Amino acid sequence: QVQLLQSGAEVKKPGASVKVSCKTSGYTFTAYYMNWVRLAPGQGLEWMGWINPKSGGTNYAQKFQGRVTMTSDTSIGTAYMELSSLRSDDTAVYYCAREVVAPAGDWFDPWGQGTLVTVSS
Amino acid sequence: DIQMTQSPSSLSASVGDRVTINCRASQGIRNDLGWYQQKPGKAPKCLIYGASSLQSGVPSRFSGSGSGTEFTLTISSLQPEDFATYYCLQHNSYPYTFGLGTKLEIK
Repeated sequence: QVQLLQSGAEVKKPGASVKVSCKTSGYTFTAYYMNWVRLAPGQGLEWMGWINPKSGGTNYAQKFQGRVTMTSDTSIGTAYMELSSLRSDDTAVYYCAREVVAPAGDWFDPWGQGTLVTVSS
Repeated sequence: DIQMTQSPSSLSASVGDRVTINCRASQGIRNDLGWYQQKPGKAPKCLIYGASSLQSGVPSRFSGSGSGTEFTLTISSLQPEDFATYYCLQHNSYPYTFGLGTKLEIK
């Protein structure tokens, strides 16, 4: 079945960078965009952007422009999200989510299990 | 950016109740809206896509309606496993935006 497996929890200091991986299985990696979404404590879900693994093209939310880099390695079916200049309010669970496009609408499925990134001095 | 105003932010209900959750978009988004359920410590799960299409494997007590700027998620008869947080998501234009969520709690 289709699965997304994310890397483990990270603890980073303010100003550092973090790179989260999302290893896929069960489908053709290059056929679907991969989105990244985060959930900060006490907040709602927040879309960060997507990568098109086939072309390497990206689309980032303005809020994260200049700090986020999404990449992929098609040889191993893995997507990456790197966030730099970390601040305490970047503490969140980060999810990858495959975007399915269909005539009746789009949806995110499946999602990775989430990666907790804690930013603390 | 399109703002998604979701209401209510929290809701107490009993097993067997009928529940509705609403999302209003700040501008028209056709039917480019999905509903997601999230339980603590788990990833979100898509329930409804295209505003009204039921995701495969999702119980028929869940339904979605609306188009343009007004959308509704209805749970016809609450079950114990339905107590969770629900989010709407618009994917009509970038950036994609979520509602702030509705926490559904047991009364």
